[in-house]
Amino acid sequence: SQTIHQWPATLVQPVGSPLSLECTVEGTSNPNLYWYRQAAGRGLQLLFYSVGIGQISSEVPQNLSASRPQDRQFILSSKKLLLSDSGFYLCAWSKAGGGFGGYTFGSGTRLTVV
Amino acid sequence: ILNVEQSPQSLHVQEGDSTNFTCSFPSSNFYALHWYRWETAKSPEALFVMTLNGDEKKKGRISATLNTKEGYSYLYIKGSQPEDSATYLCASTSGTYKYIFGTGTRLKVLA
Repeated sequence: SQTIHQWPATLVQPVGSPLSLECTVEGTSNPNLYWYRQAAGRGLQLLFYSVGIGQISSEVPQNLSASRPQDRQFILSSKKLLLSDSGFYLCAWSKAGGGFGGYTFGSGTRLTVV
Repeated sequence: ILNVEQSPQSLHVQEGDSTNFTCSFPSSNFYALHWYRWETAKSPEALFVMTLNGDEKKKGRISATLNTKEGYSYLYIKGSQPEDSATYLCASTSGTYKYIFGTGTRLKVLA
């Protein structure tokens, strides 16, 4: 069966520090991978998605970047965090090719930038 | 409608009450709609996938309907229980691998 792992669960980081959140998927090949963020009082916002190794699409201009160094690994990074980067980050995967299969989400990371 | 909208934003009901909430989505180029249940500190859990106009899905005390022509879906909970307390998200897609999520309806069932 497919599983998705996301870590860490919570993170408190000072402004200007770097960030690295990791997500890995098991039990499937060539998944579509996604990073979402929920800021306080807002809905889920798509940050990045990837349909293959090294292929990253950014949905919104921001202080963050994403990388996919391996087929089932998706990393969210920042060189210097801003206060506005605080939020709840979710990694998700879906089957390649789109369709109506929907997402399977990781357990999320609560990031607080202080 | 360019975005997916959910209403109400939050809802408090008494245990045993039935309730419903709405998801509005772009009706043009509609492909599928998903409902998720999201408990605090957990990952969203898929409830329903809906694709056809007039679809009705049911899972225990929870059911959902779909109107693709007018662009809305209703989620119903019959006889609400405290364990139903969660945020209910809907997400729509036009067939690509990108889903647009609503802001969710936060349900609190009071014992």
